[in-house]
Amino acid sequence: GQNIDQPTEMTATEGAIVQINCTYQTSGFNGLFWYQQHAGEAPTFLSYNVLDGLEEKGRFSSFLSRSKGYSYLLLKELQMKDSASYLCAVDQTGANNLFFGTGTRLTVIP
Amino acid sequence: DTEVTQTPKHLVMGMTNKKSLKCEQHMGHRAMYWYKQKAKKPPELMFVYSYEKLSINESVPSRFSPECPNSSLLNLHLHALQPEDSALYLCASSQSIGGAYGYTFGSGTRLTVV
Repeated sequence: GQNIDQPTEMTATEGAIVQINCTYQTSGFNGLFWYQQHAGEAPTFLSYNVLDGLEEKGRFSSFLSRSKGYSYLLLKELQMKDSASYLCAVDQTGANNLFFGTGTRLTVIP
Repeated sequence: DTEVTQTPKHLVMGMTNKKSLKCEQHMGHRAMYWYKQKAKKPPELMFVYSYEKLSINESVPSRFSPECPNSSLLNLHLHALQPEDSALYLCASSQSIGGAYGYTFGSGTRLTVV
């Protein structure tokens, strides 16, 4: 089985930094994805972490701690267009599917 | 071509209608997926095809019938749906079955059952 938790909603100010957390409990773990999804649109790939540590891609960074079952997505220099849902998804060993968390709706305000 | 194309983008159908959703990709991906997503909820897996064969059926009601005519196409046939089936239906593909390669999602079909 699997249990993936994220905060439901977050609000942050334009230009600021926000961290979106994801905790997971799975029977077997290969890696963790972060996707961005604007309302009514398809999820788009942001990052994939397999090893512990921080992966940086421009304004977005993702961190993983396998021993703690914990990941976060860090968004810097927030822009209004970053208002979206952010989904963490676990690639579980032996499964033929990605297991999605409930998603975090981020609202960026001026 | 790095996209997954879904048609139609919007669909309104009555409970007695028969309709089909279509999904197409030309990335050579051998795994294709149907997800259902209700508002403010994460995507829920419905079906997985691997090498054109049904690999997973997540206890989806028979009023949803998937079909994979070839490695590039995936259909979802709809019949006698209920209003609660109204949702965004997402198609995705990956190089191989399983999550390690990540998924490419289509933009979805917004389905309304009246």
